[in-house]
Amino acid sequence: DVKVTQSSRYLVKRTGEKVFLECVQDMDHENMFWYRQDPGLGLRLIYFSYDVKMKEKGDIPEGYSVSREKKERFSLILESASTNQTSMYLCASSFRGLYGYTFGSGTRLTVV
Amino acid sequence: GENVEQHPSTLSVQEGDSAVIKCTYSDSASNYFPWYKQELGKRPQLIIDIRSNVGEKKDQRIAVTLNKTAKHFSLHITETQPEDSAVYFCAASREGTASKLTFGTGTRLQVTL
Repeated sequence: DVKVTQSSRYLVKRTGEKVFLECVQDMDHENMFWYRQDPGLGLRLIYFSYDVKMKEKGDIPEGYSVSREKKERFSLILESASTNQTSMYLCASSFRGLYGYTFGSGTRLTVV
Repeated sequence: GENVEQHPSTLSVQEGDSAVIKCTYSDSASNYFPWYKQELGKRPQLIIDIRSNVGEKKDQRIAVTLNKTAKHFSLHITETQPEDSAVYFCAASREGTASKLTFGTGTRLQVTL
């Protein structure tokens, strides 16, 4: 009963490529988030969205952008991939208000 | 912004013993504190949460305590089992736009036989 789906489990991209990571949720959640997970650093917020076409920067937005054209879909874009963007990317969603997240399975991105 | 510190980074206990993971937060307006468990190769999953109007919450072998004055909260796992081995993350958030969570850096718990 997967409810947050990330389009790719593993990706390998070249430096300078434009990369799209897709996330779809079927729970009618208002909020969607993109985090990156690195050893020893925990989960760090890149961008989030609280409504269609609404987006806000998180703690580490540099080098990333996002798109939310539909409520169920939230895309993370790496404008020009660099090796320091090699990481595990986790998408999550939640209802509006103080609620826990449902996470996707993650996309492990390697930039070579 | 909010800052969440989590300790220890690694914890090894024998099966049947208790495990305690501690977190501190900086934003006194934070009022929601969830805990996530991430098994190897899997997504983080919510295991328990607590809100600021409650001092303690328990769910079978798992309990969370909150001290708002000291701005810290803790996860307690009793009678640990091998399947409790995972990375645990604490988090904090406050009312606001999307009520985004700030996570701690994680604790790798190893339960040995």
